[in-house]
Amino acid sequence: DSGVTQTPKHLITATGQRVTLRCSPRSGDLSVYWYQQSLDQGLQFLIQYYNGEERAKGNILERFSAQQFPDLHSELNLSSLELGDSALYFCASSVRAGDSTDTQYFGPGTRLTVL
Amino acid sequence: DAKTTQPNSMESNEEEPVHLPCNHSTISGTDYIHWYRQLPSQGPEYVIHGLTSNVNNRMASLAIAEDRKSSTLILHRATLRDAAVYYCILGNYQLIWGAGTKLIIKP
Repeated sequence: DSGVTQTPKHLITATGQRVTLRCSPRSGDLSVYWYQQSLDQGLQFLIQYYNGEERAKGNILERFSAQQFPDLHSELNLSSLELGDSALYFCASSVRAGDSTDTQYFGPGTRLTVL
Repeated sequence: DAKTTQPNSMESNEEEPVHLPCNHSTISGTDYIHWYRQLPSQGPEYVIHGLTSNVNNRMASLAIAEDRKSSTLILHRATLRDAAVYYCILGNYQLIWGAGTKLIIKP
């Protein structure tokens, strides 16, 4: 158990819909990262927040947005969903802003299925 | 693009040592080398990291070449539970994940 929690575990929805994925970081961690992993693919970095502020941005679609709240939990919002958005979405957290010694701790993921 | 190069897959027999290689020829002096692994249907988990000296922990050992352009993750006695995808990541590029090495353990 990494200490990172993600809800829900599974999500099934239809094309065009909007969903929200939630992540609670480990106690004391200030950074939250979101990744997408499609079937049998590698991890694609989406976005990082550090202490409430956006820190780094990857290839995140405009239909996707995220935020980190004052209690440091984070939400990833996916809208106008398409079949290709079906994937595992992982959240990770780290103590600092992602310097070279920082270690990421991953949650169990949310499996999103778009029908 | 990933800053590290790893073989796509490796096979090993159960209860034998496994050496997983990683090349990182463009590594900078401040780049720590991190290893993570992802078991089937789970999120990646941290294995080990180091800068210059070899490192050991309860999960594995990390051997770093003297010129730091390559490293090797060593599982001293692989079990079936070690079957996973192993990722080698540079600390200053922790947002860039390559395809990793799929480790297959044969009973």
